[in-house]
Amino acid sequence: QVQLVQSGAEVKKPGASVKVSCKASGYTFTGYYIQWVRQAPGQGLEWMAWVNPNSGGTNYAQKFQGRITMTWDTSIRTAYMELSSLTSNDTAVYYCARLIKLFGSSDTWGQGTLVTVSS
Amino acid sequence: DIQMTQSPSTLSASVGDRVTITCRASQSINSWLAWYQQKPGKAPKLLIYKASSLQSGVPSRFSGSGSGTEFTLTISSLQPDDFATYYCQHYNNYMYTFGQGTNLEIK
Repeated sequence: QVQLVQSGAEVKKPGASVKVSCKASGYTFTGYYIQWVRQAPGQGLEWMAWVNPNSGGTNYAQKFQGRITMTWDTSIRTAYMELSSLTSNDTAVYYCARLIKLFGSSDTWGQGTLVTVSS
Repeated sequence: DIQMTQSPSTLSASVGDRVTITCRASQSINSWLAWYQQKPGKAPKLLIYKASSLQSGVPSRFSGSGSGTEFTLTISSLQPDDFATYYCQHYNNYMYTFGQGTNLEIK
């Protein structure tokens, strides 16, 4: 079945970077975009970015421009999201999701990765 | 940027009730709107895409409508499993934005 499995929880110090992975299975990895969404504790969902693993196209929410890097490895069907210059405001659960561009929506989500930024 | 305003932020209802959640866009987004359900500690689940298309496997008591700037998610007869938080998400000009969420709680 279609599945996205994310890497485990991380604890980082302010100013550091974090790289979250998202491994896809059950579908053609390059046939779908991946979007990244985060959720701070007790807060709503916040869209961060999407990547097209086929063309290399990406787009980011303006607030993350310059701090976020999207990469992928088609040989192992894995997408990565790296966020730099972390502050306590970046403490959140980070989700990857398969994005069906034709419908503008995500039918499959990873389990989420908790990133805690603390000194 | 297009702003999405979701209302109400909290909705108290009983099993069997019909409930409606609204999402308003600051400008037209055609039908590029999706609805998600999220339960505590879980990833969001897609309910509706393209404003009114029911995702496979989602019960038919869920329905979506609207176009342009105003959209609604309706649950025709609330079931115990439906108490959760609901989010709209729109797509426009390569950008996606979520509404603030609606917490549907048991009255």
